[in-house]
Formats: sequence, C-alpha cells, structure tokens
Amino acid sequence: SAVISQKPSRDICQRGTSLTIQCQVDSQVTMMFWYRQQPGQSLTLIATANQGSEATYESGFVIDKFPISRPNLTFSTLTVSNMSPEDSSIYLCSVVPAVNYGYTFGSGTRLTVV
Amino acid sequence: SQQGEEDPQALSIQEGENATMNCSYKTSINNLQWYRQNSGRGLVHLILIRSNEREKHSGRLRVTLDTSKKSSSLLITASRAADTASYFCATDVGGGSEKLVFGKGTKLTVNP
Repeated sequence: SAVISQKPSRDICQRGTSLTIQCQVDSQVTMMFWYRQQPGQSLTLIATANQGSEATYESGFVIDKFPISRPNLTFSTLTVSNMSPEDSSIYLCSVVPAVNYGYTFGSGTRLTVV
Repeated sequence: SQQGEEDPQALSIQEGENATMNCSYKTSINNLQWYRQNSGRGLVHLILIRSNEREKHSGRLRVTLDTSKKSSSLLITASRAADTASYFCATDVGGGSEKLVFGKGTKLTVNP
C-alpha cells in the first residue's frame, strides 16, 4: 500500500492567516482526497484532487476558502485561507491504489486557530 | 454529509471480552470499509467487504454485511488494551468517484 507523508503535523495559527498542508505519496495515484475532522466528529470530505484538472469540491466547501493544488501524481497541497477559530480541525489527505482497495491516510494536520 | 450511523457511540469493555460495533448506511454501495483512529491521528484501514460478500475475517476481526438492511457489524474478539481507539465505517458508493463517506464512529475503550 502507499505511504503518505503529511506536513505539518500540527500548527497554531492566528485568525485571518492561511496555512498550506502538504501531502507527498511514495507512488503515483490518480485521485487524492482531502478530509476535515472537526473536534470529536467524523470525517467530512472537502474535495477530490485530480492531477491536471481543477479539484472537485463537496457541498459546503469552496475553492476560495480551501484552494488545492495537484501538480503531479505524487503530491498535493490544501490551503486553509483566511482562517477563523471554526477552522480548528484535523485535516487529512488520503489515496486509494485501486478500486475495492482500502484507502491510505496521511497522519493528519491538527490545526488550532486562535 | 454522513452516510449513516454507528452504534454504540461509545463502548467500554474489559480486556479479553469481545467488542461489537454496528454501522448503518443509506444508499447502495460498492463496498464498506472499517477504519481505526488512535487519538485523533491518521486512520488505519482494517478491512474491506464488497457488496456481494456477507462475511469477512482478518485475524481477530470479523465483519458482516447485510445489504438488505443496509447494515454492517465489526466484531473484535479477545480485545486488548491496544485496541482502544475510535472505529469508523465508511462506504464507497461507487459511480466512479471513489470517495468514501464516513459514519460517526464508535469510541472503544478496553480496560486492562
């Protein structure tokens, strides 16, 4: 299965600023997924990132707030823009090697906005 | 949005006992997966069961799937303190999107 390196593992940020989270995969994958996990909650899909095309955002998430880059088949970034305390969450990236395979997740970025 | 519900929301047992967690979902699925999360870290894939399968085993894990009831269960036998974690079911609804929709999770505590 794939191995994902996600950075940073945690950060404390001031409101109004932006944070960029990186995910590096050790193999080429078509789709990468970005999830948010609010405190004590389950995971909610933010967007699907395909190489060479615009990311596909889920309802309630917009590109201006969560811009995503996918420059190649092994790397993606998620930016949390103009942060507010409500953005305090764990953000996770994930990939799936093939249909009907389990997904691999990064170790998560714990973001606190003060 | 969440695909469904897991119950119980929290479960506390003694080491050596079995733990059973249930998951219900709303739409037809391609497969259903179970994940473990330790202390808010990354998720670890445990087991995947396809829509045409009814039961699957992996070590101390047993998963069942009832597509007529849109439900699944995860059984952990002979639990250990190291099994303490949150467990999530997730459904792949197919259609080529390959995205997972997660349930709310069960927080399992195994007391030594």
